Amino acid sequence: AQTVTQSQPEMSVQEAETVTLSCTYDTSESDYYLFWYKQPPSRQMILVIRQEAYKQQNATENRFSVNFQKAAKSFSLKISDSQLGDAAMYFCAYRSAKAAGNKLTFGGGTRVLVKP
Amino acid sequence: NAGVTQTPKFQVLKTGQSMTLQCAQDMNHEYMSWYRQDPGMGLRLIHYSVGAGITDQGEVPNGYNVSRSTTEDFPLRLLSAAPSQTSVYFCASSYSPGVYNSPLHFGNGTRLTVT
Repeated sequence: AQTVTQSQPEMSVQEAETVTLSCTYDTSESDYYLFWYKQPPSRQMILVIRQEAYKQQNATENRFSVNFQKAAKSFSLKISDSQLGDAAMYFCAYRSAKAAGNKLTFGGGTRVLVKP
Repeated sequence: NAGVTQTPKFQVLKTGQSMTLQCAQDMNHEYMSWYRQDPGMGLRLIHYSVGAGITDQGEVPNGYNVSRSTTEDFPLRLLSAAPSQTSVYFCASSYSPGVYNSPLHFGNGTRLTVT
């Protein structure tokens, strides 16, 4: 079974600065997808960014970018120019390309605090 | 656009009571699923469905039942509530993963407390 590990329970960043969240995963498969979800205090789950394992190019979405290292099974998220609205829980998630259903395996989450 | 709608938002049950968490989506998604979220553990899959009439177990199915009689609805039933089922429950839906890595759309969650 796949596992996803987020080793940082909490990260703090100054407004306008950059923070990087770590995520590692364990899988024997070669075809899969990786996601970062944001969960603000409203409890809503918001997709931040996604990466296909077959793509070598790292995904970017505005101020959010990933560093995908397939051999190392690492998928970190970088938030640039941090804003107060970025304060939330962030979850890394894995989906097998083969598994039935759109099933995600989540990490335990990292809480991001943004200081003004 | 309603998206994924979950009801209720909050619920308190006594041990042994039963209840149904409702989930409806209006995006004509084939895939639907239920997750529970516990502190420090992220979200874990309870049950999922790949289409009307088809359901299967996820990682933590014990104590829960599901059915999928229509494309739109995917209710989660707690048969006899236990304190270990105190959690936040999320319903999610998506197109088949073949549709460009279709992401999950989540409801806003139900906070359930079992006393």
